[in-house]
Amino acid sequence: KQEVTQIPAALSVPEGENLVLNCSFTDSAIYNLQWFRQDPGKGLTSLLLIQSSQREQTSGRLNASLDKSSGRSTLYIAASQPGDSATYLCAVYAGSRLTFGEGTQLTVNP
Amino acid sequence: DAGVIQSPRHEVTEMGQEVTLRCKPISGHNSLFWYRQTMMRGLELLIYFNNNVPIDDSGMPEDRFSAKMPNASFSTLKIQPSEPRDSAVYFCASSFRSGQDYGYTFGSGTRLTVV
Repeated sequence: KQEVTQIPAALSVPEGENLVLNCSFTDSAIYNLQWFRQDPGKGLTSLLLIQSSQREQTSGRLNASLDKSSGRSTLYIAASQPGDSATYLCAVYAGSRLTFGEGTQLTVNP
Repeated sequence: DAGVIQSPRHEVTEMGQEVTLRCKPISGHNSLFWYRQTMMRGLELLIYFNNNVPIDDSGMPEDRFSAKMPNASFSTLKIQPSEPRDSAVYFCASSFRSGQDYGYTFGSGTRLTVV
């Protein structure tokens, strides 16, 4: 059974800092990995999708990497802003199932 | 495209009542998923449809829960009878080709409160 773990569970940083969120998964036989953002009381917004054959994806200030062999992914956020405050969820797709981590709650302080 | 559309956004009902949640997937997507999110258990997959056919319903908690997809543009999740422990946010997501190539798109969710 696939298990996804995200570290840290919560993170508070001052505005402008670069930061890294971590995701690990137990079964490396995945098709892809997707990072989502969830604002309080809202749905999930897809940030980046990395196929199993890819090493990283970039979108604006976000960069996600994937090391399938070690079962790890990182989400790098450059020059963080208060608007980045949200919960970030990592999800891996294997078989016909998308399995989520429990998320990292990020607070960026002005 | 308007994205994945769920209704209602909020539902408050009394224990024992029937609850029906609705989802309209993105046009052209052939896979649809129902998830439940709670503080205790996070996001859990309830059921997955591919081309309107239920493929994996192993996450459906018990017989009180049922889901249908009568056509490619509509799905329902029904709880009958509802119980307070069913209170959660229910998300619908859709994808093309099971999400393998293009990932999943989620709706805004239905917040269900059973009192």
